[in-house]
Amino acid sequence: DVKVTQSSRYLVKRTGEKVFLECVQDMDHENMFWYRQDPGLGLRLIYFSYDVKMKEKGDIPEGYSVSREKKERFSLILESASTNQTSMYLCASSGLEGYQETQYFGPGTRLLVL
Amino acid sequence: GQNIDQPTEMTATEGAIVQINCTYQTSGFNGLFWYQQHAGEAPTFLSYNVLDGLEEKGRFSSFLSRSKGYSYLLLKELQMKDSASYLCAVSSEGNFNKFYFGSGTKLNVKP
Repeated sequence: DVKVTQSSRYLVKRTGEKVFLECVQDMDHENMFWYRQDPGLGLRLIYFSYDVKMKEKGDIPEGYSVSREKKERFSLILESASTNQTSMYLCASSGLEGYQETQYFGPGTRLLVL
Repeated sequence: GQNIDQPTEMTATEGAIVQINCTYQTSGFNGLFWYQQHAGEAPTFLSYNVLDGLEEKGRFSSFLSRSKGYSYLLLKELQMKDSASYLCAVSSEGNFNKFYFGSGTKLNVKP
């Protein structure tokens, strides 16, 4: 079974703090993704990575950065947390399901920025 | 731009059949996916369609019409545990297999 884990289920931070969200997958997948999920807006892609040290901006990268130093680990960084970054953050990695590339999600991190 | 539409909420009765629709307009198409998400949990993969037609997987079936930009998820013999949000996602063409998600349909199953 594919396993994607995230470092924290719940996190409370203060405005201006630097926040690190860690994601690890154990299936040797090339592609990894970071989304945020907000009511009524669905999942929105922040950043993704298709290889070690490679990254691409998603649809809403502002205020975020990422790091992929090892294939299994993809980190999301909030340089200076703001209240509008309060959200559910979901990490995913993608691999083959049958003949189709499919995304598998971690349990999510619910971040509250005060 | 990318546009994925699905109803916000639906209610159905235990034991019944429910159909959740999804329409999409995307710049590329590499497959359509359905995910189930229980409250407070991560989405879990249910099914995918690449070609037109119906794919059946136990109580769940998914249909795709690429010419109409339309898919539906059919849930039969509804159970209380099927109460969840159902997310429609389209995979774009290209090397990186980006997914575009709808906002999800919250399904309430009542006794």
